[in-house]
Amino acid sequence: DAGVIQSPRHEVTEMGQEVTLRCKPISGHDYLFWYRQTMMRGLELLIYFNNNVPIDDSGMPEDRFSAKMPNASFSTLKIQPSEPRDSAVYFCASSTRGGGSYEQYFGPGTRLTVT
Amino acid sequence: QKEVEQNSGPLSVPEGAIASLNCTYSDRGSQSFFWYRQYSGKSPELIMFIYSNGDKEDGRFTAQLNKASQYVSLLIRDSQPSDSATYLCAPEGSTLGRLYFGRGTQLTVWP
Repeated sequence: DAGVIQSPRHEVTEMGQEVTLRCKPISGHDYLFWYRQTMMRGLELLIYFNNNVPIDDSGMPEDRFSAKMPNASFSTLKIQPSEPRDSAVYFCASSTRGGGSYEQYFGPGTRLTVT
Repeated sequence: QKEVEQNSGPLSVPEGAIASLNCTYSDRGSQSFFWYRQYSGKSPELIMFIYSNGDKEDGRFTAQLNKASQYVSLLIRDSQPSDSATYLCAPEGSTLGRLYFGRGTQLTVWP
């Protein structure tokens, strides 16, 4: 299996621009998670989906952030407009109930820099 | 708010020693517990999980769980420089599928 795929791997943008991060989960996984990681705050859950339906978006910082999962093999996280404080590494992870527990597998991440 | 506390690092041990990483959690509903390793600049990588009280061994790694004390640990025997990384503890919450990650403990194994 190819694992979780994320694109782009690096994104540098100017404040105020729209940023779209993409994720392809592992085939057959029915949960998809978006995380953000910074030195200050560690790994934070932004939103997660089950069977393409958002379950909990309480971690989304504000209305500038939105996420969609139009089908089982694709999800996007959009930031509009972007701000310097959004600079972080964004991870996508997927999971399914295997062996009685939900092991999450992470993608390589997208390093976002907003100048 | 589900709290996950890990022993503050950084933790530094010599090659060949046992590294002990500790984690406490607040959600008594947690049933499964995961340990992830994250190398600098990389994504978290699952190394093992445990769901029964007691010990679970996998090669040089041993996970220990005590649900009554809400405590889980990871022991790394015969530590190697390649074990130098940040280790994240992640209990599975009572909400199906969701993991709650600690801040991690940075481990350095020096030759």
